[in-house]
Amino acid sequence: EDQVTQSPEALRLQEGESSSLNCSYTVSGLRGLFWYRQDPGKGPEFLFTLYSAGEEKEKERLKATLTKKESFLHITAPKPEDSATYLCAVQAFGGGFKTIFGAGTRLFVKA
Amino acid sequence: NAGVTQTPKFQVLKTGQSMTLQCAQDMNHNSMYWYRQDPGMGLRLIYYSASEGTTDKGEVPNGYNVSRLNKREFSLRLESAAPSQTSVYFCASSEVGSNEKLFFGSGTQLSVL
Repeated sequence: EDQVTQSPEALRLQEGESSSLNCSYTVSGLRGLFWYRQDPGKGPEFLFTLYSAGEEKEKERLKATLTKKESFLHITAPKPEDSATYLCAVQAFGGGFKTIFGAGTRLFVKA
Repeated sequence: NAGVTQTPKFQVLKTGQSMTLQCAQDMNHNSMYWYRQDPGMGLRLIYYSASEGTTDKGEVPNGYNVSRLNKREFSLRLESAAPSQTSVYFCASSEVGSNEKLFFGSGTQLSVL
Protein backbone atom coordinates (compact mmCIF):
# COMPACT_ATOMS: atom_id res chain seq x y z
CA GLU A 1 0.00 0.00 0.00
CA ASP A 2 1.28 3.45 -0.92
CA GLN A 3 2.12 5.45 2.17
CA VAL A 4 3.67 8.75 3.24
CA THR A 5 5.05 9.41 6.73
CA GLN A 6 6.32 12.79 7.86
CA SER A 7 8.52 13.57 10.84
CA PRO A 8 8.63 15.25 13.21
CA GLU A 9 4.97 16.07 13.81
CA ALA A 10 5.99 19.48 15.14
CA LEU A 11 9.24 21.42 15.14
CA ARG A 12 10.08 24.54 17.08
CA LEU A 13 13.05 26.63 15.93
CA GLN A 14 14.61 29.90 16.84
CA GLU A 15 14.92 32.43 14.05
CA GLY A 16 18.09 31.60 12.12
CA GLU A 17 18.28 28.00 13.37
CA SER A 18 18.46 25.76 10.30
CA SER A 19 16.84 22.32 10.28
CA SER A 20 15.24 19.66 8.08
CA LEU A 21 11.84 18.03 7.77
CA ASN A 22 11.60 14.40 6.71
CA CYS A 23 9.16 12.65 4.39
CA SER A 24 9.43 8.87 4.05
CA TYR A 25 7.40 7.24 1.33
CA THR A 26 6.47 3.79 0.12
CA VAL A 27 5.08 3.54 -3.39
CA SER A 28 5.14 0.90 -6.07
CA GLY A 29 6.67 3.38 -8.51
CA LEU A 30 7.17 7.07 -7.82
CA ARG A 31 5.76 9.37 -10.46
CA GLY A 32 6.27 12.55 -8.44
CA LEU A 33 6.81 13.84 -4.91
CA PHE A 34 5.28 17.16 -3.92
CA TRP A 35 5.83 19.63 -1.08
CA TYR A 36 3.08 22.03 -0.05
CA ARG A 37 2.88 24.76 2.56
CA GLN A 38 -0.34 25.27 4.54
CA ASP A 39 -1.05 28.32 6.69
CA PRO A 40 -3.74 28.17 9.41
CA GLY A 41 -7.24 28.45 7.98
CA LYS A 42 -6.04 28.21 4.39
CA GLY A 43 -5.61 25.58 1.72
CA PRO A 44 -2.23 24.04 0.89
CA GLU A 45 0.00 26.00 -1.47
CA PHE A 46 2.37 24.25 -3.87
CA LEU A 47 6.12 24.54 -3.26
CA PHE A 48 8.03 21.88 -5.22
CA THR A 49 7.77 18.76 -7.36
CA LEU A 50 10.59 16.19 -7.43
CA TYR A 51 10.62 13.32 -9.88
CA SER A 52 13.79 11.25 -9.45
CA ALA A 53 16.38 10.37 -6.82
CA GLY A 54 19.12 12.96 -6.59
CA GLU A 55 16.93 15.82 -7.73
CA GLU A 56 16.96 19.06 -5.74
CA LYS A 57 14.79 22.19 -5.90
CA GLU A 58 15.26 25.52 -4.11
CA LYS A 59 13.07 28.47 -3.29
CA GLU A 60 14.30 31.23 -1.02
CA ARG A 61 15.21 29.58 2.31
CA LEU A 62 13.78 26.18 1.33
CA LYS A 63 15.51 23.33 -0.45
CA ALA A 64 13.88 19.99 -1.21
CA THR A 65 15.87 16.84 -1.93
CA LEU A 66 14.84 13.33 -2.95
CA THR A 67 16.23 9.83 -2.47
CA LYS A 68 14.66 6.51 -3.37
CA LYS A 69 12.93 6.25 0.01
CA GLU A 70 12.62 9.75 1.42
CA SER A 71 12.61 13.46 0.81
CA PHE A 72 13.94 16.25 2.97
CA LEU A 73 12.83 19.84 3.16
CA HIS A 74 15.80 21.84 4.39
CA ILE A 75 15.08 25.24 5.93
CA THR A 76 18.07 27.55 6.11
CA ALA A 77 18.07 30.45 8.57
CA PRO A 78 14.28 30.40 9.01
CA LYS A 79 12.24 33.49 9.79
CA PRO A 80 8.97 33.70 11.75
CA GLU A 81 7.05 33.99 8.46
CA ASP A 82 8.20 30.46 7.60
CA SER A 83 5.92 29.17 10.39
CA ALA A 84 3.34 26.90 8.76
CA THR A 85 2.47 23.24 8.24
CA TYR A 86 4.49 21.58 5.50
CA LEU A 87 2.83 18.72 3.66
CA CYS A 88 4.53 16.02 1.62
CA ALA A 89 2.60 14.08 -1.03
CA VAL A 90 3.30 11.43 -3.65
CA GLN A 91 1.80 10.21 -6.88
CA ALA A 92 2.49 6.68 -8.01
CA PHE A 93 2.56 5.12 -11.45
CA GLY A 94 -0.69 3.25 -11.85
CA GLY A 95 -2.27 5.42 -9.17
CA GLY A 96 -4.27 7.43 -11.64
CA PHE A 97 -5.29 10.81 -10.30
CA LYS A 98 -4.67 9.99 -6.67
CA THR A 99 -2.22 12.08 -4.65
CA ILE A 100 -1.35 10.57 -1.25
CA PHE A 101 -0.59 13.08 1.48
CA GLY A 102 1.35 12.79 4.71
CA ALA A 103 -0.05 14.25 7.92
CA GLY A 104 2.35 17.18 7.80
CA THR A 105 4.98 18.83 10.00
CA ARG A 106 3.95 21.93 11.93
CA LEU A 107 6.86 24.38 11.99
CA PHE A 108 7.05 27.18 14.54
CA VAL A 109 9.82 29.77 14.18
CA LYS A 110 10.31 32.13 17.10
CA ALA A 111 11.86 35.55 16.69
CA ASN B 1 -7.31 36.03 -10.28
CA ALA B 2 -9.50 34.18 -7.75
CA GLY B 3 -8.16 30.63 -8.38
CA VAL B 4 -10.32 28.08 -6.54
CA THR B 5 -13.32 29.42 -4.65
CA GLN B 6 -15.24 27.39 -2.08
CA THR B 7 -18.49 28.19 -0.31
CA PRO B 8 -19.44 28.24 2.48
CA LYS B 9 -16.40 28.77 4.72
CA PHE B 10 -18.14 27.45 7.82
CA GLN B 11 -21.20 25.25 8.34
CA VAL B 12 -22.86 23.55 11.28
CA LEU B 13 -25.31 20.74 10.61
CA LYS B 14 -27.39 18.44 12.71
CA THR B 15 -27.12 14.71 12.18
CA GLY B 16 -29.28 13.69 9.22
CA GLN B 17 -29.34 17.09 7.53
CA SER B 18 -28.12 17.50 3.98
CA MET B 19 -26.01 20.15 2.35
CA THR B 20 -23.97 20.91 -0.74
CA LEU B 21 -20.46 22.37 -0.79
CA GLN B 22 -19.77 24.47 -3.84
CA CYS B 23 -16.46 24.84 -5.66
CA ALA B 24 -15.49 26.85 -8.73
CA GLN B 25 -12.15 27.43 -10.45
CA ASP B 26 -11.26 30.09 -13.00
CA MET B 27 -7.97 28.60 -14.27
CA ASN B 28 -9.54 26.50 -17.06
CA HIS B 29 -8.32 23.32 -15.36
CA ASN B 30 -9.60 19.97 -16.55
CA SER B 31 -9.43 18.07 -13.27
CA MET B 32 -11.07 18.83 -9.95
CA TYR B 33 -10.97 17.11 -6.56
CA TRP B 34 -12.58 17.01 -3.15
CA TYR B 35 -10.43 16.23 -0.10
CA ARG B 36 -11.11 16.10 3.61
CA GLN B 37 -8.53 16.97 6.26
CA ASP B 38 -8.72 15.61 9.79
CA PRO B 39 -6.31 16.25 12.68
CA GLY B 40 -3.29 13.95 12.62
CA MET B 41 -4.19 12.59 9.21
CA GLY B 42 -3.19 13.56 5.72
CA LEU B 43 -5.58 14.97 3.20
CA ARG B 44 -7.78 12.14 1.93
CA LEU B 45 -9.39 12.11 -1.48
CA ILE B 46 -13.18 11.80 -1.46
CA TYR B 47 -14.04 12.11 -5.16
CA TYR B 48 -12.42 13.50 -8.24
CA SER B 49 -13.35 14.52 -11.75
CA ALA B 50 -10.62 13.92 -14.31
CA SER B 51 -12.47 15.96 -16.90
CA GLU B 52 -15.84 17.53 -17.50
CA GLY B 53 -18.51 14.84 -17.55
CA THR B 54 -16.63 12.27 -15.49
CA THR B 55 -16.43 11.56 -11.76
CA ASP B 56 -14.70 8.80 -9.80
CA LYS B 57 -14.45 7.64 -6.21
CA GLY B 58 -11.39 8.36 -4.17
CA GLU B 59 -10.22 6.86 -0.90
CA VAL B 60 -13.21 7.81 1.31
CA PRO B 61 -16.36 8.25 -0.85
CA ASN B 62 -18.99 6.74 1.46
CA GLY B 63 -21.68 9.22 2.48
CA TYR B 64 -20.87 11.70 -0.29
CA ASN B 65 -21.97 12.43 -3.84
CA VAL B 66 -20.52 14.81 -6.39
CA SER B 67 -21.58 16.67 -9.50
CA ARG B 68 -19.30 18.14 -12.16
CA LEU B 69 -21.70 20.83 -13.29
CA ASN B 70 -19.41 22.20 -16.01
CA LYS B 71 -15.68 22.70 -16.50
CA ARG B 72 -15.54 25.35 -13.77
CA GLU B 73 -17.76 23.88 -11.05
CA PHE B 74 -17.59 20.73 -8.91
CA SER B 75 -19.95 20.28 -5.99
CA LEU B 76 -19.91 17.87 -3.04
CA ARG B 77 -23.16 16.76 -1.43
CA LEU B 78 -23.76 15.19 1.97
CA GLU B 79 -27.17 13.54 1.78
CA SER B 80 -27.51 12.64 5.46
CA ALA B 81 -24.74 14.15 7.54
CA ALA B 82 -23.10 12.13 10.31
CA PRO B 83 -20.75 13.27 13.12
CA SER B 84 -17.95 11.30 11.41
CA GLN B 85 -18.17 13.79 8.55
CA THR B 86 -17.04 16.65 10.81
CA SER B 87 -13.91 17.81 9.02
CA VAL B 88 -12.33 20.52 6.90
CA TYR B 89 -13.14 20.05 3.22
CA PHE B 90 -10.90 21.27 0.43
CA CYS B 91 -11.60 21.55 -3.24
CA ALA B 92 -8.65 21.47 -5.62
CA SER B 93 -7.97 21.60 -9.33
CA SER B 94 -5.11 20.74 -11.65
CA GLU B 95 -4.22 21.39 -15.27
CA VAL B 96 -4.03 17.90 -16.73
CA GLY B 97 -4.90 15.67 -13.77
CA SER B 98 -2.21 13.20 -12.97
CA ASN B 99 1.36 14.24 -12.23
CA GLU B 100 0.36 17.84 -11.83
CA LYS B 101 0.44 20.15 -8.85
CA LEU B 102 -2.85 20.88 -7.13
CA PHE B 103 -4.36 24.30 -6.57
CA PHE B 104 -6.51 24.38 -3.44
CA GLY B 105 -9.39 26.49 -2.23
CA SER B 106 -9.43 27.95 1.27
CA GLY B 107 -11.58 25.19 2.73
CA THR B 108 -14.96 24.64 4.40
CA GLN B 109 -15.01 23.85 8.09
CA LEU B 110 -17.99 21.54 8.69
CA SER B 111 -19.29 20.46 12.07
CA VAL B 112 -22.00 17.81 12.36
CA LEU B 113 -23.67 17.69 15.76
